[in-house]
Amino acid sequence: GAVVSQHPSRVICKSGTSVKIECRSLDFQATTMFWYRQFPKQSLMLMATSNEGSKATYEQGVEKDKFLINHASLTLSTLTVTSAHPEDSSFYICSALQRGSYNEQFFGPGTRLTVL
Amino acid sequence: AQSVSQHNHHVILSEAASLELGCNYSYGGTVNLFWYVQYPGQHLQLLLKYFSGDPLVKGIKGFEAEFIKSKFSFNLRKPSVQWSDTAEYFCAVNARAAGNKLTFGGGTRVLVKP
Repeated sequence: GAVVSQHPSRVICKSGTSVKIECRSLDFQATTMFWYRQFPKQSLMLMATSNEGSKATYEQGVEKDKFLINHASLTLSTLTVTSAHPEDSSFYICSALQRGSYNEQFFGPGTRLTVL
Repeated sequence: AQSVSQHNHHVILSEAASLELGCNYSYGGTVNLFWYVQYPGQHLQLLLKYFSGDPLVKGIKGFEAEFIKSKFSFNLRKPSVQWSDTAEYFCAVNARAAGNKLTFGGGTRVLVKP
């Protein structure tokens, strides 16, 4: 079945540095990928929709300059957290929409970001 | 904008007990509905989905859900749970007019005691 991977699974960084998280669809092409944020014991909140070859669409309240999204190919989207601060510590999850299918997203395992 | 509410934050039950998790959404248009499960330390997996047709949907691992349009509900059920059903369950809604974006409910943590 459709598999989505994320790298790294965990990252710890110092405040002020930037962190890049990769999301890959391993066995299918994904024209659309989504980035979510999940706080402890809370639900997933959609941050942005990433479309291959075009600019990402951000949800209200999400800073586009803070969370840079690039979807350069049909199998890879990256999320870069720029100038990270402790309040950016969270679990970041991506999902990918399989090309040709409708409305089923396949989720990655998530990346735990801790900013010291 | 659509919203999704799950009535229970935590559910504790014994093996072989029946499980029902409530999910209500608010959106006046056509929706697609999903239940996802997140086992401890694992990623989200799709349990079942409803797009159209029979409102009683059967999913994996013995789960089913019923879409009641008049009540804006999509409750998840399992007649007899197992210890391995311990997980967090998320209801999600996609308003067809909103493209493929999913809105998740707050999640319900289910603990099944052996």
